[in-house]
Amino acid sequence: DVKVTQSSRYLVKRTGEKVFLECVQDMDHENMFWYRQDPGLGLRLIYFSYDVKMKEKGDIPEGYSVSREKKERFSLILESASTNQTSMYLCASAQTYQETQYFGPGTRLLVL
Amino acid sequence: GENVEQHPSTLSVQEGDSAVIKCTYSDSASNYFPWYKQELGKRPQLIIDIRSNVGEKKDQRIAVTLNKTAKHFSLHITETQPEDSAVYFCAASIGNNRLAFGKGNQVVVIP
Repeated sequence: DVKVTQSSRYLVKRTGEKVFLECVQDMDHENMFWYRQDPGLGLRLIYFSYDVKMKEKGDIPEGYSVSREKKERFSLILESASTNQTSMYLCASAQTYQETQYFGPGTRLLVL
Repeated sequence: GENVEQHPSTLSVQEGDSAVIKCTYSDSASNYFPWYKQELGKRPQLIIDIRSNVGEKKDQRIAVTLNKTAKHFSLHITETQPEDSAVYFCAASIGNNRLAFGKGNQVVVIP
């Protein structure tokens, strides 16, 4: 079975802190994605990566950056957390963007 | 406008009845259309997908139909059961090698 794991299920941070969310997949997938899920707004793509060291902006990249130094790991970085970044963050991986995306369990982030 | 729109936002059905969720998309180059189910407190999981070279695909009680001319596709759930209660997301492939997701439909199956 494909396994996508995220470093934390719940996280509480202060405004202005730098926040790292880690995602690891074990299926050697080329593509990895970071989504943000808010009630009524569905799944919004923040950033994605189709190869090591490659990254592409999604729909809402402002305030975020990403890092993909190794194929299995895709990190989302909040350079200076703000309260409007309080949300559920979901990571996903897929061999190609037209194949099944496997989601991680999510990280619920609260920024105070 | 939105790449992918879903209607209705909430759907309540009696157990045993059918449920239909419709999505419209705007990118005429879209050629891959998956549906994901997210149960309460769980991660989204793919339940069915369809590619643009077919008009319909079935898997037991679920089916997806695609109308490329009208740029819409629909999820059909027959003989609904309580475990079908969930949020359902449609998606469409778009130009820059990614999917665009709809905002989701809450389906409630009333026992």
